[in-house]
Amino acid sequence: RKEVEQDPGPFNVPEGATVAFNCTYSNSASQSFFWYRQDCRKEPKLLMSVYSSGNEDGRFTAQLNRASQYISLLIRDSKLSDSATYLCVVNQGGKKLVFGTGTRLLVSP
Amino acid sequence: DTGVSQDPRHKITKRGQNVTFRCDPISEHNRLYWYRQTLGQGPEFLTYFQNEAQLEKSRLLSDRFSAERPKGSFSTLEIQRTEQGDSAMYLCASSLASGGFAEAFFGQGTRLTVV
Repeated sequence: RKEVEQDPGPFNVPEGATVAFNCTYSNSASQSFFWYRQDCRKEPKLLMSVYSSGNEDGRFTAQLNRASQYISLLIRDSKLSDSATYLCVVNQGGKKLVFGTGTRLLVSP
Repeated sequence: DTGVSQDPRHKITKRGQNVTFRCDPISEHNRLYWYRQTLGQGPEFLTYFQNEAQLEKSRLLSDRFSAERPKGSFSTLEIQRTEQGDSAMYLCASSLASGGFAEAFFGQGTRLTVV
């Protein structure tokens, strides 16, 4: 079983739609959780951290369920510029980052 | 530019040759990571350094791979006797961590093609 699992997609949505991505992780000792965004042929960049109480940053909302070992990202009012790959990332014990395969999002006009 | 810098950006090599990549992290960042990414996959962890100490190395890393971070500043990743399966994007990241996790900043990567 992979340490971090994501649906690779692609998710094709129209502009203005709401879309949600899910991610599960296998190591119950994982301590920190993140969503990174990666544009085509570019390096990953931090989108947002994921806190136990859930957190929101503009149109983006992240949730963590430790009991189910599940992380989610919700994007409201999708923009064309949101088209990218979204990587679920788990930090194990303050050391290495473990990445999921990424979920590809395509927002169309 | 004060971000993470990687050199070269692209490398084409013949099978069996050795290659070396360099990463210059953001100054004062004490952690440095190497990842490998192939098309359609997320970055795979290779190794990481805390200052000059190599603290963890993935089992994915065969004996042909070696990484160093002398003096805790820049790092090099060497691949000996390259194989076609080594073709990938090699990403370096750095962070300033004291105890817990801090945001990791990635370089633009070195794209390796083994022919």
